Amino acid sequence: GENVEQHPSTLSVQEGDSAVIKCTYSDSASNYFPWYKQELGKGPQLIIDIRSNVGEKKDQRIAVTLNKTAKHFSLHITETQPEDSAVYFCAARGYSTLTFGKGTMLLVSP
Amino acid sequence: EAQVTQNPRYLITVTGKKLTVTCSQNMNHEYMSWYRQDPGLGLRQIYYSMNVEVTDKGDVPEGYKVSRKEKRNFPLILESPSPNQTSLYFCASSFGAGTNTEAFFGQGTRLTVV
Repeated sequence: GENVEQHPSTLSVQEGDSAVIKCTYSDSASNYFPWYKQELGKGPQLIIDIRSNVGEKKDQRIAVTLNKTAKHFSLHITETQPEDSAVYFCAARGYSTLTFGKGTMLLVSP
Repeated sequence: EAQVTQNPRYLITVTGKKLTVTCSQNMNHEYMSWYRQDPGLGLRQIYYSMNVEVTDKGDVPEGYKVSRKEKRNFPLILESPSPNQTSLYFCASSFGAGTNTEAFFGQGTRLTVV
């Protein structure tokens, strides 16, 4: 089955800095790569996603890049704000299942 | 409002006492799934359902059962809970299992088995 590795497990940045979270996946058949943000006491919520036929996607301060050859994808958050503090999960979808990474706790200090 | 609703939000039970966690979605989604979230392990899929009466095992199905008799409901059943099933559980739904199908998550059920 699919295996998704996510790094780092924790990331501390100062407000205004950029944050990068990286993931690798094992199944070359995976073709959809979403990123979820989980705030304390809530369920994960989709923030951005990318399909296998696209190399990069941007939505305001958030961008995701995908390298299918190397089987890795990354989340980039620019101009971080305290409200970006949360746990972030990457995931990879194959035919029938969505496999998640172990998560990254992002802490943005004012 | 489009949502996935889980009940209960919190549950403390004793070893061996059967319990059911309910999940309902109002988006007419075909695909539903259950995950458990444990510290350092992320989200692991327990069971999923691609449509009514179609269910299949995820990565950690041992000790769990599910049913999908109606499109909107996907209950998770623990026939004989054990302490290692203490966890945070999430139900999720999406239009399908293919590409570009955002998964919507419920608020979670925190289960403690003593």
